Amino acid sequence: AQTVTQSQPEMSVQEAETVTLSCTYDTSENNYYLFWYKQPPSRQMILVIRQEAYKQQNATENRFSVNFQKAAKSFSLKISDSQLGDTAMYFCAFMKHRSSGDKLTFGTGTRLAVRP
Amino acid sequence: EAGVAQSPRYKIIEKRQSVAFWCNPISGHATLYWYQQILGQGPKLLIQFQNNGVVDDSQLPKDRFSAERLKGVDSTLKIQPAKLEDSAVYLCASSTGQGQETQYFGPGTRLLVL
Repeated sequence: AQTVTQSQPEMSVQEAETVTLSCTYDTSENNYYLFWYKQPPSRQMILVIRQEAYKQQNATENRFSVNFQKAAKSFSLKISDSQLGDTAMYFCAFMKHRSSGDKLTFGTGTRLAVRP
Repeated sequence: EAGVAQSPRYKIIEKRQSVAFWCNPISGHATLYWYQQILGQGPKLLIQFQNNGVVDDSQLPKDRFSAERLKGVDSTLKIQPAKLEDSAVYLCASSTGQGQETQYFGPGTRLLVL
């Protein structure tokens, strides 16, 4: 079974600064996907960024980037130029590659507060 | 493109009552998921459908939970009878069903069992 660990229950960052959220996972799979989802207080889960395990290049989406270390099974999220709207719960998630898709296994989340 | 729709948004019931939640996935998405998110935790899969067939229901408490997706489009999740520990947010998600998918989530239904 896969497990996802987020060791930082809460983080805080000053607006415009950079913050990194940590995530480690455990799996015996070789082909899989990793995701960061954001869940604002309104509760709708929104995809932030995804990474395919077979790709060595780290994914980036505007101010969001990841540091994917496959051998170490580490997948951290860096948020640059933090904005007040980034305040939310952030979940790291793992998905095995299957032809019809597979469930997401989530970590326990990191609550990020961006201070003005 | 319309997102995943869920209703109701909130529901309060007494224990031992029954409740049903509805989900309409993104048009054309073959795979539909129901997740349970207990306060302070990450979502956990209850059931996964591919079209109208069940792919994974290993974590569904089948003595009280049931789900269906009869026409391969929208889905209902039912709890009967409800227990206090069923208080949670029930999230529906959908994906294309072609393997490399991103799952798109609905707004969720918050259930409180008293």
